[in-house]
Amino acid sequence: GNSVTQMEGPVTLSEEAFLTINCTYTATGYPSLFWYVQYPGEGLQLLLKATKADDKGSNKGFEATYRKETTSFHLEKGSVQVSDSAVYFCALPVEGSQGNLIFGKGTKLSVKP
Amino acid sequence: EAQVTQNPRYLITVTGKKLTVTCSQNMNHEYMSWYRQDPGLGLRQIYYSMNVEVTDKGDVPEGYKVSRKEKRNFPLILESPSPNQTSLYFCASSLMWTNTGELFFGEGSRLTVL
Repeated sequence: GNSVTQMEGPVTLSEEAFLTINCTYTATGYPSLFWYVQYPGEGLQLLLKATKADDKGSNKGFEATYRKETTSFHLEKGSVQVSDSAVYFCALPVEGSQGNLIFGKGTKLSVKP
Repeated sequence: EAQVTQNPRYLITVTGKKLTVTCSQNMNHEYMSWYRQDPGLGLRQIYYSMNVEVTDKGDVPEGYKVSRKEKRNFPLILESPSPNQTSLYFCASSLMWTNTGELFFGEGSRLTVL
């Protein structure tokens, strides 16, 4: 079945640094891929998504490109802010199941001023 | 406002005392799900429901029950809580057939079982 692996955290960066959080997946076919974000004390919310190979999802300065050759969907941001401190989850659908997602274990990002 | 509402947000209880965590959504979503979040283990799915009266086990269903008698509500029941069920619980919902992947999450319920 489908699975996802993302880099372990925590990740600590200074403000304005470049961010990469790695995510690789195993899947049958080419499912949609997602990044969710969990701010402190809140539930998860969708950050961005890509629905087919070579698509680039973007939101709030974050980007991720669906790369089928490397089965990857790495999250990037050129200049992080303190307000980006959160836990980030890569996700993809359970094989054959609509609406049901598999999540990576999450990567905690802390941005220092 | 579109939202998923969980109650209680915080609860401390004792081993064996039955409890229910409620979840309600106002978006007419078919799909609802419960997850637990534990340090180092990420999010693990407990149960999910694709529509009224249709529920199925997730990855860690032991010790939990659910019901889906109405579309908007999906309560999580712990018949006899144990300390290993101390966790942060999230309810989520989505539209089933768009497959956009946008799950809407509640704010979480932090449960401590002594």
